[in-house]
Amino acid sequence: DAGITQSPRHKVTETGTPVTLRCHQTENHRYMYWYRQDPGHGLRLIHYSYGVKDTDKGEVSDGYSVSRSKTEDFLLTLESATSSQTSVYFCAISAGHMEKLFFGSGTQLSVL
Amino acid sequence: KNEVEQSPQNLTAQEGEFITINCSYSVGISALHWLQQHPGGGIVSLFMLSSGKKKHGRLIATINIQEKHSSLHITASHPRDSAVYICAAPRGGGADGLTFGKGTHLIIQP
Repeated sequence: DAGITQSPRHKVTETGTPVTLRCHQTENHRYMYWYRQDPGHGLRLIHYSYGVKDTDKGEVSDGYSVSRSKTEDFLLTLESATSSQTSVYFCAISAGHMEKLFFGSGTQLSVL
Repeated sequence: KNEVEQSPQNLTAQEGEFITINCSYSVGISALHWLQQHPGGGIVSLFMLSSGKKKHGRLIATINIQEKHSSLHITASHPRDSAVYICAAPRGGGADGLTFGKGTHLIIQP
């Protein structure tokens, strides 16, 4: 199994508070992605990174920011959490743009 | 932007049946992914294919690039195959990342 760890696994927070989710990999893969999964929508790309300090927006990036200061870590921040951001968040990694994807175990986030 | 459609959304079958899940996409691509999401939520990559057919155990994936269509087949289905199967294609327009179908929820009954 690919070495990819998400933390925390579960989080409950209140509307308006900042939240940071962490994705850590030990595979030295270039690409890292943050997706959210919601009923009826499937997985949707929030942000992705193609190298240290190189990030770009996905299709549902509003309200989220990311940072990648080291190859192994990709952080997703909700600056001011809203109830619409209640979701399951998955991190994924790949060695290249169209290479096999490896997923983390997911983070269940509830914003009350 | 690539649009990915899967069918059926839900499928219940008896053990041993031959299963087919379909995926179509709107923008020409170089490769397509098939993923499996276990009942516990974990997601694993099954196939990435750009042409023809790939086989892994009882799973077979085919793709027709010209028709923008792919299928995932399961032979001799078993209850442990029960999962959500998801196809994904590049977003298109020069953007990185994938666009995912909504998934096919498969239940194999003993």
